[in-house]
Amino acid sequence: DQQVKQNSPSLSVQEGRISILNCDYTNSMFDYFLWYKKYPAEGPTFLISISSIKDKNEDGRFTVFLNKSAKHLSLHIVPSQPGDSAVYFCAARANDYKLSFGAGTTVTVRA
Amino acid sequence: IAGITQAPTSQILAAGRRMTLRCTQDMRHNAMYWYRQDLGLGLRLIHYSNTAGTTGKGEVPDGYSVSRANTDDFPLTLASAVPSQTSVYFCASSETGFGGGYTFGSGTRLTVV
Repeated sequence: DQQVKQNSPSLSVQEGRISILNCDYTNSMFDYFLWYKKYPAEGPTFLISISSIKDKNEDGRFTVFLNKSAKHLSLHIVPSQPGDSAVYFCAARANDYKLSFGAGTTVTVRA
Repeated sequence: IAGITQAPTSQILAAGRRMTLRCTQDMRHNAMYWYRQDLGLGLRLIHYSNTAGTTGKGEVPDGYSVSRANTDDFPLTLASAVPSQTSVYFCASSETGFGGGYTFGSGTRLTVV
């Protein structure tokens, strides 16, 4: 049973608009959350993270929000650019430092 | 090289054959991991190693084995491949206890026929 869930397999957004990716988790022991970006034929690369003691972390066009009571986090990309077209994985870490990943959301940014 | 190198890049393998996927890192990271990526399931942990000389089972270890003889290398072996092991395999590494993320290799696409 997956402990990290990304219920939207795909997202299409117009260039310049906001992309919002959602992620839910079930394990209350998770204390650190990460987003990875993956292009075809490449390995995932780290994008942004957030500790469970925070509710928001921002890095340029990317912002991650964490709602611990709802066990929910989201990634906002503003403005979306064509180079943002990729698969985005949500990941969560418990105190054993191993990451659990969601199924991924494929983002397509339309010109 | 800088980062993680995986070999081969892709492989077609007959069912029942033995296969070792290679993974080498040059970052001196303590921890290394093997994940498989399948559509709709994301990345699932197969085996991991927190430091040289130790290994552990992940979420989907059956049919796979690993070894960690030194810090840099973490090979994954399929003793007798089956079609359900058709997948893309990613090796990753991290500093133990590091609050950040993993560094991933570019993956090995394996097809078992």
